[in-house]
Amino acid sequence: GQQLNQSPQSMFIQEGEDVSMNCTSSSIFNTWLWYKQDPGEGPVLLIALYKAGELTSNGRLTAQFGITRKDSFLNISASIPSDVGIYFCAGVFGANNLFFGTGTRLTVIP
Amino acid sequence: KAGVTQTPRYLIKTRGQQVTLSCSPISGHRSVSWYQQTPGQGLQFLFEYFSETQRNKGNFPGRFSGRQFSNSRSEMNVSTLELGDSALYLCASSPWTGDTEAFFGQGTRLTVV
Repeated sequence: GQQLNQSPQSMFIQEGEDVSMNCTSSSIFNTWLWYKQDPGEGPVLLIALYKAGELTSNGRLTAQFGITRKDSFLNISASIPSDVGIYFCAGVFGANNLFFGTGTRLTVIP
Repeated sequence: KAGVTQTPRYLIKTRGQQVTLSCSPISGHRSVSWYQQTPGQGLQFLFEYFSETQRNKGNFPGRFSGRQFSNSRSEMNVSTLELGDSALYLCASSPWTGDTEAFFGQGTRLTVV
């Protein structure tokens, strides 16, 4: 299957700091998605990216679809305690096949 | 509008048994996809159903199967359970097949002992 390398694996940051995480692949994807998963819950879609080079924001979140179509990054500005959770990237390949990264566990220290 | 509902939330089964998990998609959504989430392998795609037909299948053995009913509700079945099948099983619904913006349920946590 497709391999998505997501980094970093975990982050500990102070409240108010900015966060950056990324996802890379050896394969080209048609779409990049970013999800957040809270403990005991299913992933929630944060941002969807459909075109190479696309930069999309959702509140304090900004994500970009890399121009090579093999990578994507997610930035969170001015982090708050409720940003805690696991963030997953996902690449869409072919007919609606989603491949997920291994996740970045974010801890925000008040 | 109700979200994606998965039942049961938790299950404990013994090796060799079989299990059926249920997923009710968001009203009006016709595509249901199933995923397995484990600490070691992360989130892996199992299969997608649309209009009662399996449209896509991931790389899982034949012990994993599913079906979809005319009301779009879906069930997933795992036969001859193995310890390695212990995982969080998530289902996601979207309005149409090929829609990438899928909405996930809370999942069913299966423990095989």
